[in-house]
Amino acid sequence: GAVVSQHPSRVICKSGTSVKIECRSLDFQATTMFWYRQFPKQSLMLMATSNEGSKATYEQGVEKDKFLINHASLTLSTLTVTSAHPEDSSFYICSATGGLYGYTFGSGTRLTVV
Amino acid sequence: GENVEQHPSTLSVQEGDSAVIKCTYSDSASNYFPWYKQELGKGPQLIIDIRSNVGEKKDQRIAVTLNKTAKHFSLHITETQPEDSAVYFCAATSDTGRRALTFGSGTRLQVQP
Repeated sequence: GAVVSQHPSRVICKSGTSVKIECRSLDFQATTMFWYRQFPKQSLMLMATSNEGSKATYEQGVEKDKFLINHASLTLSTLTVTSAHPEDSSFYICSATGGLYGYTFGSGTRLTVV
Repeated sequence: GENVEQHPSTLSVQEGDSAVIKCTYSDSASNYFPWYKQELGKGPQLIIDIRSNVGEKKDQRIAVTLNKTAKHFSLHITETQPEDSAVYFCAATSDTGRRALTFGSGTRLQVQP
């Protein structure tokens, strides 16, 4: 089946620094990737949608300059949290679609900003 | 846009009993309805899905029903086991693959041994 690899699984960073999260589709070409954020005991909230080779589309209220998304190839998308602050601490999850596989989710990244 | 409501928020059952989780959606154009199981600290795992041209789908102990007229769909788990304990999310979308899923608020299922 389809597999999406997300790294790192956990990251702790200091306030003001940047963090990059990678999402790779291992056995299929991901034409579209989605990035979600999930706060404790809450649902997944869509942050942005990205298509390979084009700019990401951000949801209302999500700062595109703070959450930089790059979908440079059909197998890799990255989310960079710039100038991270404690309120950015959350669980970030990517999802990829392509071909016949529907929506496949990564294992998530727990970001803690101290 | 799409809005998905999910009930109940928590559900506790005895091992061996059945569990039912219900969702309603607002966008009549939605045509794909997956259900996900999420364990603590992990990403969602697809457990079953249904498309709008089907009214019911079953996979062993898990079944999903869809009522397009009423715009609601339900997850049924029979013969529950302690390992079924997790958070379950329903979702909906109208353009499979190109449009993101809209998730319900989640149901925390606890199966008591």
